[in-house]
Amino acid sequence: AQSVSQHNHHVILSEAASLELGCNYSYGGTVNLFWYVQYPGQHLQLLLKYFSGDPLVKGIKGFEAEFIKSKFSFNLRKPSVQWSDTAEYFCAVNARNNYQLIWGAGTKLIIKP
Amino acid sequence: ETGVTQSPTHLIKTRGQQVTLRCSSQSGHNTVSWYQQALGQGPQFIFQYYREEENGRGNFPPRFSGLQFPNYSSELNVNALELDDSALYLCASSGRDRGTGELFFGEGSRLTVL
Repeated sequence: AQSVSQHNHHVILSEAASLELGCNYSYGGTVNLFWYVQYPGQHLQLLLKYFSGDPLVKGIKGFEAEFIKSKFSFNLRKPSVQWSDTAEYFCAVNARNNYQLIWGAGTKLIIKP
Repeated sequence: ETGVTQSPTHLIKTRGQQVTLRCSSQSGHNTVSWYQQALGQGPQFIFQYYREEENGRGNFPPRFSGLQFPNYSSELNVNALELDDSALYLCASSGRDRGTGELFFGEGSRLTVL
């Protein structure tokens, strides 16, 4: 069965620090990959996605993620975080042409001002 | 603002009762998915509706059922509530391409079962 693992449940950083959140998935076929973000008091929203092509994808608010097929990973990065990046981040995967998203447990990111 | 609205936002029920949650999809979207998010976990897929028919189902028992209406709004019904049904229920809509997984979420209905 497909599964998604996010390595850190809680991350605390200072402003201007660099960020990398890990995501690994288990599935042998072709996948679509997503990072969603949930800011405090708001709904889940798409941060970035990978379907095919360049494995380095850029999303909103300066976030990027790199798909490494050999490692089954899709890690999220940001070179310099801001206090407003405080949120919960979810990695999600679906098999190509399958509507069912499989989600990680989420990482709560707290940025200290 | 996604245009996906859910009601009610919060509700409390007791074991054995039944609940109906409602969702209005974003304009132009014909696909609605429902997810259950327990505390401290990621969302779990319940089912998806496309053009008024159930299009796929996750690992949830038959007491979880749903409907989609001609205007693409949707309901989630849960019968014989159990304590473990306490969770945030998320509705997400998407457009014609069902396979992309790009979903637009509502803010959820938080159900507490006592």
